[in-house]
Amino acid sequence: TQLLEQSPQFLSIQEGENLTVYCNSSSVFSSLQWYRQEPGEGPVLLVTVVTGGEVKKLKRLTFQFGDARKDSSLHITAAQPGDTGLYLCAGKTGANNLFFGTGTRLTVIP
Amino acid sequence: KAGVTQTPRYLIKTRGQQVTLSCSPISGHRSVSWYQQTPGQGLQFLFEYFSETQRNKGNFPGRFSGRQFSNSRSEMNVSTLELGDSALYLCASSYGLAGMRGETQYFGPGTRLLVL
Repeated sequence: TQLLEQSPQFLSIQEGENLTVYCNSSSVFSSLQWYRQEPGEGPVLLVTVVTGGEVKKLKRLTFQFGDARKDSSLHITAAQPGDTGLYLCAGKTGANNLFFGTGTRLTVIP
Repeated sequence: KAGVTQTPRYLIKTRGQQVTLSCSPISGHRSVSWYQQTPGQGLQFLFEYFSETQRNKGNFPGRFSGRQFSNSRSEMNVSTLELGDSALYLCASSYGLAGMRGETQYFGPGTRLLVL
């Protein structure tokens, strides 16, 4: 059972454009994490959000946790080729289980 | 601190064979989780070991097994390999159970397994 659906599945944009990736679920999560995975490597944690409505910024990346703690978004401003990769969200439940989303593969074209 | 290491990085096997993958966690981490990643299914949880005991298990057949040693190093075994087992196998370590509040998992680079 896939608890976390990410959209879009694939995204190809020009350098300098903005984009938003979504992570949706019908389940409530105690916290939500975003990872980026580059080819040939394992996922690397970008951020953890724990409070409904929380917004965190990491340079050009803005992460938001939904008020009901069921969804999250990742917004990238002025995308750069170095942002290319697979973006994964992961949610933790009250039962201390961790579930990964379906992933969004982003390509930023120079 | 050294990161999570996985060996081997690449592996080619034939159907019916068995394979053992190894993972060394970050020093001091006691939890090791294993994941299978494929283009079609994404990142799927296999199992998690903590203090040499399996604590969580995903929805995979019994051909997939694992163990953890007293030094927290972990191995994953797949018996009677099938073509569909071709995937990137990722290991991740954390100090406590991965699903616990405040815990962060650190991933290794993965072992890419090709079954012919």
